[in-house]
Amino acid sequence: QQPVQSPQAVILREGEDAVINCSSSKALYSVHWYRQKHGEAPVFLMILLKGGEQKGHEKISASFNEKKQQSSLYLTASQLSYSGTYFCGTDASGSRLTFGEGTQLTVNP
Amino acid sequence: DAGITQSPRYKITETGRQVTLMCHQTWSHSYMFWYRQDLGHGLRLIYYSAAADITDKGEVPDGYVVSRSKTENFPLTLESATRSQTSVYFCASSIAGELFFGEGSRLTVL
Repeated sequence: QQPVQSPQAVILREGEDAVINCSSSKALYSVHWYRQKHGEAPVFLMILLKGGEQKGHEKISASFNEKKQQSSLYLTASQLSYSGTYFCGTDASGSRLTFGEGTQLTVNP
Repeated sequence: DAGITQSPRYKITETGRQVTLMCHQTWSHSYMFWYRQDLGHGLRLIYYSAAADITDKGEVPDGYVVSRSKTENFPLTLESATRSQTSVYFCASSIAGELFFGEGSRLTVL
């Protein structure tokens, strides 16, 4: 079942912060975050594993609440390059990801 | 160059025709995936493969066929294309949980 992302879209000014949420109804092994710019392929940002281990981007942080099956992506001091669509992918099987519908982030000067 | 390549990048076909989208990776990753992305939406898994000769259905497998005779290749075939299969198709390989996507194949079915 597809995870639910919120908000669907957010507009920021450069330097502002944003939080993107991802929620699943299934027990998860891990949560993954990807960013996709218009016309391009998604690019890996971060993995959050059951048990607390994180792997990924230095300037972007995230959390994973295993009890609630929820994850949040924190974008601090946003830059113009952060613009794009952010997708969470959830792994409930140990072998494949199911992606949410995405959150469109626009950072303006 | 190392990486994952898809071909063709753009394809226009007619309803009922067979279409094959190719995917090739140079890393020897075990896992490979095919996703489709409809305009303005997320990625939906069509098929995936854990290794050569091992494939499994994803969320939306109907109308598609895959094969994986070699680790590096994972072609996706639309047996009889329909308008609802107009989409951007992304192939990906995976290592340590991280997906590496190809540039996508944009398919239009008229």
